[in-house]
Amino acid sequence: DAGVIQSPRHEVTEMGQEVTLRCKPISGHNSLFWYRQTMMRGLELLIYFNNNVPIDDSGMPEDRFSAKMPNASFSTLKIQPSEPRDSAVYFCASSLDFGGVNEQFFGPGTRLTVL
Amino acid sequence: AQTVTQSQPEMSVQEAETVTLSCTYDTSESDYYLFWYKQPPSRQMILVIRQEAYKQQNATENRFSVNFQKAAKSFSLKISDSQLGDAAMYFCAYRSSVIQGAQKLVFGQGTRLTINP
Repeated sequence: DAGVIQSPRHEVTEMGQEVTLRCKPISGHNSLFWYRQTMMRGLELLIYFNNNVPIDDSGMPEDRFSAKMPNASFSTLKIQPSEPRDSAVYFCASSLDFGGVNEQFFGPGTRLTVL
Repeated sequence: AQTVTQSQPEMSVQEAETVTLSCTYDTSESDYYLFWYKQPPSRQMILVIRQEAYKQQNATENRFSVNFQKAAKSFSLKISDSQLGDAAMYFCAYRSSVIQGAQKLVFGQGTRLTINP
């Protein structure tokens, strides 16, 4: 089992540039989550998809952030334009939502640095 | 909204000793799930242990066990026979049991655990 795959693992970009983070969930999982981890705010949910449909995007900071899930095996998180305060580790997680405990499996994260 | 509080930013323990990490949470729900995640320097989030609120019995996973006090809204993690590989950030997390719309994990601020050889 390959687990949740995220790319790139590291991204360094300049302020104003567009950044796209990618995630491949575990095959068969029907829920996908994007979390952000910063020193100041800790780990917080940005957006959550179930069966490719966004269910909760209340954590998306502002219009500069957008997320898509065109199919069950792929999701993107885009930041346009990027700002230094977006520097963080971005995690993607997936789970099989069957109504029970639904363990979330995390990817290795993408460390984003915006200069 | 639910909140999770870890009041110990850092803890240290001698190898082979036992350490307990504290976690409290606030919720108006009666049914939910609680988790402890470990984040080593590799930054990979690893599930350590989980507890369903409707279960009175405390969960255990090998050297890891929890003390779940529902009335007090407390969920502490005990690590027995600490090993060097246990050194990591530990996060307590809460999740509602609602089937849809509340699947997100709410995390505490984390506790950095150091193991002294």
